[in-house]
Amino acid sequence: GENVEQHPSTLSVQEGDSAVIKCTYSDSASNYFPWYKQELGKRPQLIIDIRSNVGEKKDQRIAVTLNKTAKHFSLHITETQPEDSAVYFCAGGLSGGYNKLIFGAGTRLAVHP
Amino acid sequence: GAGVSQSPSNKVTEKGKDVELRCDPISGHTALYWYRQSLGQGLEFLIYFQGNSAPDKSGLPSDRFSAERTGGSVSTLTIQRTQQEDSAVYLCASSANSPLHFGNGTRLTVT
Repeated sequence: GENVEQHPSTLSVQEGDSAVIKCTYSDSASNYFPWYKQELGKRPQLIIDIRSNVGEKKDQRIAVTLNKTAKHFSLHITETQPEDSAVYFCAGGLSGGYNKLIFGAGTRLAVHP
Repeated sequence: GAGVSQSPSNKVTEKGKDVELRCDPISGHTALYWYRQSLGQGLEFLIYFQGNSAPDKSGLPSDRFSAERTGGSVSTLTIQRTQQEDSAVYLCASSANSPLHFGNGTRLTVT
């Protein structure tokens, strides 16, 4: 089955700096890789996702890159703001709701003013 | 529109008691997932329902855990003879395609 590893477990940056979180996956059949943001005491919410037919996707200050050969994908947040502070989870699985999503262990991001 | 609804939001139970957690998915979503999140930890997959297919139970940690989904909609996660290590937030999510939409979870505390 799929196994997703996520690094680092904690990340501290100064406001305005960039933050990068990396994940690797084991199942070469996986083709869908979402990222979720979980603020303290709240539900995880989707912030961006990527499918294996593209190598990069961007949405304002957030971008995700995917390397299928190496089986790793990364989340990039530019111009970080204090409200970006949260736990971020990556996940891997099959698109279309045909299989379970396996999540990484999470990265606790702290953005200091 | 209505999101994924879970009840109760909090549940405190004594060790050895059975508990039932309920999830109402978003209307029309065919896939339903249960995850467990222990304090400060990641999202541990428990079980997955997709339409009328047999559920994927590969994440259930022991035979004390079971889940059902009636009529392709509401799901109930049952934990029998609860143990202190069962204390966690139990998150339900539903999906119509790929993105999962999570509920607010049920915080279970076993004393």
